[in-house]
Amino acid sequence: AQSVTQPDIHITVSEGASLELRCNYSYGATPYLFWYVQSPGQGLQLLLKYFSGDTLVQGIKGFEAEFKRSQSSFNLRKPSVHWSDAAEYFCAVGGNSGNTPLVFGKGTRLSVIA
Amino acid sequence: GAVVSQHPSWVICKSGTSVKIECRSLDFQATTMFWYRQFPKQSLMLMATSNEGSKATYEQGVEKDKFLINHASLTLSTLTVTSAHPEDSSFYICSARGDFEQFFGPGTRLTVL
Repeated sequence: AQSVTQPDIHITVSEGASLELRCNYSYGATPYLFWYVQSPGQGLQLLLKYFSGDTLVQGIKGFEAEFKRSQSSFNLRKPSVHWSDAAEYFCAVGGNSGNTPLVFGKGTRLSVIA
Repeated sequence: GAVVSQHPSWVICKSGTSVKIECRSLDFQATTMFWYRQFPKQSLMLMATSNEGSKATYEQGVEKDKFLINHASLTLSTLTVTSAHPEDSSFYICSARGDFEQFFGPGTRLTVL
């Protein structure tokens, strides 16, 4: 069965510091991988996605993620965090079958301090 | 493109009443839609998969008689929470399947008093 593990429940970083959020997945076929961000009381916003090709994908708001098949990982990175990046981040995995829903990790809450 | 809407965005109801939430794909047709539930400070949990013209498939532990799903057209799926109780208070999010990915609605916050 497919699953997503986000090992870090809560991360605190200083504004301007770099960020890496970890995501490991389990999936029986070639995965489609996603990172979403959610602010309190809001819906999901797609940051970036990986389907195939270049394993380093660029997203919105200066985020990037790298797909590493050998490690079953899809970690999210940002070189310099802004206070507005404070939110909940979800990694998700799915497939290319029409009836295959996305499976979400438990999320990582990011706090940004001055 | 690929916009999914939900209505209402929030609803407050009395215990025992039923609430209907609509999910629409505005600029594409979606054979498959999914309904998720998110409790405070938790992740999204899949409730059911909805296919146009057929019965929904519910995840284990989700009561199909309580959470009625209808997917009558390629652009509309509805979730009806029947005889709602305070423990049904949650954030309900739908998504519609496009060519390669799911597109998410903005969510509906249900509060049952």
